[in-house]
Amino acid sequence: AQKVTQAQTEISVVEKEDVTLDCVYETRDTTYYLFWYKQPPSGELVFLIRRNSFDEQNEISGRYSWNFQKSTSSFNFTITASQVVDSAVYFCALSHNTPGTASKLTFGTGTRLQVTL
Amino acid sequence: DSGVTQTPKHLITATGQRVTLRCSPRSGDLSVYWYQQSLDQGLQFLIQYYNGEERAKGNILERFSAQQFPDLHSELNLSSLELGDSALYFCASSVVGGGEAFFGQGTRLTVV
Repeated sequence: AQKVTQAQTEISVVEKEDVTLDCVYETRDTTYYLFWYKQPPSGELVFLIRRNSFDEQNEISGRYSWNFQKSTSSFNFTITASQVVDSAVYFCALSHNTPGTASKLTFGTGTRLQVTL
Repeated sequence: DSGVTQTPKHLITATGQRVTLRCSPRSGDLSVYWYQQSLDQGLQFLIQYYNGEERAKGNILERFSAQQFPDLHSELNLSSLELGDSALYFCASSVVGGGEAFFGQGTRLTVV
């Protein structure tokens, strides 16, 4: 069975601070996908990134960066110079990447990020 | 805008009733997923369809059913509704299984 753990329930930071959201996963698959989604107060789920388990390179997209470490089964998300608009619930998720298997997403419980002025 | 359309956005209904939630996937996406988000259960996978056929089932209650039509839109039917079915129901779509899943804005169901 797959499992995703986001131990941080809620994080509060002041604008311009850097913040890292932790994600630890469990899977027996040798190949899999990892995802991050953002859920702003309006409620929709916004796709941020997908990472294939083959690719352990870190990724940077503007103020966002992701650190994938297979050795520790972690896929952490850092927001640099946080802004009020970053306030949201962030979900880490995992899916199979094996032909013929269901590719549903297994979500963590989410981390609520509150950025204040 | 993810390209996935869900209707209605809000639904209020009484216990024991039946409702249908509708989802139009992104153009070209063959796979449709339904998820339920509630305060106590978090985001839970319900069911997946691929090109009209059921591909996988999660913790979907027997009172719930879904289908995907030839034009690839999908409907989630919830019957004999209970207060505990109140939740945000999301539809997501992807080109193939395992691709990044793009989510609709969700349908907020309130059972009173």
